Amino acid sequence: AQSVSQHNHHVILSEAASLELGCNYSYGGTVNLFWYVQYPGQHLQLLLKYFSGDPLVKGIKGFEAEFIKSKFSFNLRKPSVQWSDTAEYFCALFSGNTGKLIFGQGTTLQVKP
Amino acid sequence: DAGVTQSPTHLIKTRGQQVTLRCSPKSGHDTVSWYQQALGQGPQFIFQYYEEEERQRGNFPDRFSGHQYPNYSSELNVNALLLGDSALYLCASSPGQGITETQYFGPGTRLLVL
Repeated sequence: AQSVSQHNHHVILSEAASLELGCNYSYGGTVNLFWYVQYPGQHLQLLLKYFSGDPLVKGIKGFEAEFIKSKFSFNLRKPSVQWSDTAEYFCALFSGNTGKLIFGQGTTLQVKP
Repeated sequence: DAGVTQSPTHLIKTRGQQVTLRCSPKSGHDTVSWYQQALGQGPQFIFQYYEEEERQRGNFPDRFSGHQYPNYSSELNVNALLLGDSALYLCASSPGQGITETQYFGPGTRLLVL
């Protein structure tokens, strides 16, 4: 069965610290992967997506993610976080078999000023 | 350009009641998907509508049903509400069903079942 696992449930960082949020998936077919962000009081927004090609994907607000096929991973990174990055982050997999987005359980990021 | 809108924003119901949630997709989008997000969890796919028909369905019972209108707006209906149906219900729209089409999410409707 397809699944997405996010290891870190709650991450606390100070401003300017580097960020890496883990995402592993289980799926035997061609993968299409996404990171979504939900800022406090706002709706889910797309940060970045990977369909094919360069495994290093750049998104909005300085975020990037690397697709490593051999590790079934799609970790999200940012070199220097800001207080405004405080939000909940979701990794998601598009299942071609079922035509649906499968989300991980999310990681809450708290950035201290 | 209005994004995805949902109504109502909050709703309180009692067990056994029925509820209807509404969604208007982003302009130019013809595909609507519904998700349930329980507290502390990621969204779970309920179903997707395209051309007024349910095209894909997640692991939800038949108590969950939907509809899409010719103007692409959509409704989610839940019958015989259970306490466990308390959640944030998200609507997402996209310009087609294809994988390359990014889904845009609405603010959600928070449902509380007492």
